[in-house]
Amino acid sequence: AQSVTQLDSHVSVSEGTPVLLRCNYSSSYSPSLFWYVQHPNKGLQLLLKYTSAATLVKGINGFEAEFKKSETSFHLTKPSAHMSDAAEYFCVVSTYNFNKFYFGSGTKLNVKP
Amino acid sequence: SAVISQKPSRDICQRGTSLTIQCQVDSQVTMMFWYRQQPGQSLTLIATANQGSEATYESGFVIDKFPISRPNLTFSTLTVSNMSPEDSSIYLCSVERGPRNEQYFGPGTRLTVT
Repeated sequence: AQSVTQLDSHVSVSEGTPVLLRCNYSSSYSPSLFWYVQHPNKGLQLLLKYTSAATLVKGINGFEAEFKKSETSFHLTKPSAHMSDAAEYFCVVSTYNFNKFYFGSGTKLNVKP
Repeated sequence: SAVISQKPSRDICQRGTSLTIQCQVDSQVTMMFWYRQQPGQSLTLIATANQGSEATYESGFVIDKFPISRPNLTFSTLTVSNMSPEDSSIYLCSVERGPRNEQYFGPGTRLTVT
């Protein structure tokens, strides 16, 4: 069975400081993992994806995530937060044939000026 | 990526009525998915819709409550039947696309049941 746990429901950082959003996964297979962002009243946007290639994945808007099998983690990071990064972020694991997505509970990122 | 539109974007409906949500994709796709996002919650998969076959429903969702049509490779509908206030949610469709089968989401339909 597949599942993801997002360890923090809310994260607050100051503009210009690093961002860390934590995600742990459970999967019966080698997982495919994704991060999506949802800005208020807007649709979901794919940030980045891991699908068994390089373990360090670079996404849009300066975000990165590292797949660590030994820790079953896929944490999302960004070196320097911008005000525009304030949104809700979802970690997602998919089944081995990519057919089903399982969403984490989401982390709301607040960026203080 | 994929361009996905949904109609309506939002609606307010009375208890006991039904609403049909449309999802249109800009090109042909094999699989389409319907999700529900209840207020303040994450997304939950309702069903997977393949063209030419009946939708496959996830645990906790049934066809009588959420009938789905998939008449062609660019279009699908989800009906929320006999609505109650607990059905108030955002309903999203998505499609599978790309070299690693990532999913792209429509803008969502915000449903309020009074």
